[in-house]
Amino acid sequence: SQKIEQNSEALNIQEGKTATLTCNYTNYSPAYLQWYRQDPGRGPVFLLLIRENEKEKRKERLKVTFDTTLKQSLFHITASQPADSATYLCALDPGAGSYQLTFGKGTKLSVIP
Amino acid sequence: GAVVSQHPSRVICKSGTSVKIECRSLDFQATTMFWYRQFPKQSLMLMATSNEGSKATYEQGVEKDKFLINHASLTLSTLTVTSAHPEDSSFYICSASQLGTNNSPLHFGNGTRLTVT
Repeated sequence: SQKIEQNSEALNIQEGKTATLTCNYTNYSPAYLQWYRQDPGRGPVFLLLIRENEKEKRKERLKVTFDTTLKQSLFHITASQPADSATYLCALDPGAGSYQLTFGKGTKLSVIP
Repeated sequence: GAVVSQHPSRVICKSGTSVKIECRSLDFQATTMFWYRQFPKQSLMLMATSNEGSKATYEQGVEKDKFLINHASLTLSTLTVTSAHPEDSSFYICSASQLGTNNSPLHFGNGTRLTVT
């Protein structure tokens, strides 16, 4: 069965540094991969979507890469700020009109001032 | 735009009672709504998918008679946890996809923390 892993349960970094979060998957070929931010006691908020034929996507301080050979996506936050502290979820999107996402457990990022 | 409102945000109920959770898309029509459950430090687990006017599709292992889903309109879906037990205590989150879009990101509600005593 398909499996999705976010390698770090928690990640602490210093303010101003670049945070890099990893999402690996097996037994699956998603058409898209999505990243969400979730704050405690709140629902996820969409950040970025990357298609299988795209290698990289950027949005302000965020960058996502997608390597379908390695079955891996990397999520980068540059010039991190304490306000970036949250749990980040990756989600596999099968495409083809299906909205059924498979979520990873998330990585809790703490940006230390 | 694309706001999903979920109500209530927190509910405490006694074992054996039923609880209804509402999920509304405020400024768009939702083709499909999804209900997830999330335990601490765990991923969101899809419980069921509901389309307006038709029966919900439940994931394996989710009891349809226990978790009743009604999707009466393009802007409202409800989840009723019937005869709740302490093991049903969890964080329930709904999401919605926007009518007319294809593989757009899902819009999530802010969740409902259910505690069954």
